[in-house]
Amino acid sequence: NAGVMQNPRHLVRRRGQEARLRCSPMKGHSHVYWYRQLPEEGLKFMVYLQKENIIDESGMPKERFSAEFPKEGPSILRIQQVVRGDSAAYFCASQFTGADPEGGEQYFGPGTRLTVT
Amino acid sequence: GESVGLHLPTLSVQEGDNSIINCAYSNSASDYFIWYKQESGKGPQFIIDIRSNMDKRQGQRVTVLLNKTVKHLSLQIAATQPGDSAVYFCAENGRSNTGKLIFGQGTTLQVKP
Repeated sequence: NAGVMQNPRHLVRRRGQEARLRCSPMKGHSHVYWYRQLPEEGLKFMVYLQKENIIDESGMPKERFSAEFPKEGPSILRIQQVVRGDSAAYFCASQFTGADPEGGEQYFGPGTRLTVT
Repeated sequence: GESVGLHLPTLSVQEGDNSIINCAYSNSASDYFIWYKQESGKGPQFIIDIRSNMDKRQGQRVTVLLNKTVKHLSLQIAATQPGDSAVYFCAENGRSNTGKLIFGQGTTLQVKP
């Protein structure tokens, strides 16, 4: 059973470009969480999705950021018109479909390191 | 506001010694806590979790202790090995009904051979 997969692992974008980050959860997992990690800091929650639904986006900036988890295919975190402050590591985590959402193990992917020049 | 913090940013121990990493949390409504290990360039790796109806839980070489009275969480690693060198994060659920986790800043564990 492959773990959580993220691609690309490294992404360089110029200011104003768009960044698309992909996350494929573990088999049998339909809950996906996205977190952002700045250097020397802990992870900060951004958004929680289930298939075709955004459940909680309270940590997502209101502008330029969007996320989706379609019925088929990976979850996508999209950042439009990137700025230098968007440079960070973005991690997704997946959770077993039948897990208690209030407390079930989240499995993390290797992350995408976004650098905005 | 809600926060999860760690007392020490860096912990240096001798190989074979026991390590204790501490964490303070401020949301008394949190009822689920997790410790993650993160190696350089990798994603967080689950170590052990504990629910608020317990005060201790043991895994392989690791023990998590929860003191709800003082809102304190600790991770004990027995017989620390060089492979344990990493950044350790505690996280809580903030009693969220969506499972999102609130992470602390992290403690770097350095194991000296």
